[in-house]
Amino acid sequence: AQSVTQPDIHITVSEGASLELRCNYSYGATPYLFWYVQSPGQGLQLLLKYFSGDTLVQGIKGFEAEFKRSQSSFNLRKPSVHWSDAAEYFCAVGALSGGYQKVTFGIGTKLQVIP
Amino acid sequence: NAGVTQTPKFQVLKTGQSMTLQCAQDMNHEYMSWYRQDPGMGLRLIHYSVGAGITDQGEVPNGYNVSRSTTEDFPLRLLSAAPSQTSVYFCASTGQNTEAFFGQGTRLTVV
Repeated sequence: AQSVTQPDIHITVSEGASLELRCNYSYGATPYLFWYVQSPGQGLQLLLKYFSGDTLVQGIKGFEAEFKRSQSSFNLRKPSVHWSDAAEYFCAVGALSGGYQKVTFGIGTKLQVIP
Repeated sequence: NAGVTQTPKFQVLKTGQSMTLQCAQDMNHEYMSWYRQDPGMGLRLIHYSVGAGITDQGEVPNGYNVSRSTTEDFPLRLLSAAPSQTSVYFCASTGQNTEAFFGQGTRLTVV
């Protein structure tokens, strides 16, 4: 069974600073990897996804993530954080099994942005 | 495109009451799932379905029932609500090579 670890429950950064949110996964084969964002009281919005190919993935809102197989990681980055990026971020891994994809989520990282 | 539609958005139940959370998708996805989201615990899988007539338990299935009579619909039933089921519930629909598409969530309070 697959699993996802997000080691940082809460992160605070200054507006304009760079951001890196960590994600490690456990899965025996090449996984599908995702980052979702959730603003307070809202649903989950996909930021980016990795299925195959280029290991550096560009997403919406200026985010990117890099798949590193050797480290079982898929860290999310943004060069300059905006106040509107304050939200909770979820890393997820999808595993194909019997022709369907089962998705497992990490516990989330809450991002606070200070002026 | 409607995507995934969940109803209701909010619900308050008394302990012991029953209710059904509705979920419908229009993307012809075979795989649908229900999660609950609690502070500090992320999203935990309750039940999932890999197609009409096929369902299975996830990580936290106790107290919940599901059925899948059509590809489009995947309702979640609480037979006898308990305060521990106070949570935000998300339905998701996933294609074989797509991300999970989520509904807007149902905020359930059991008093």
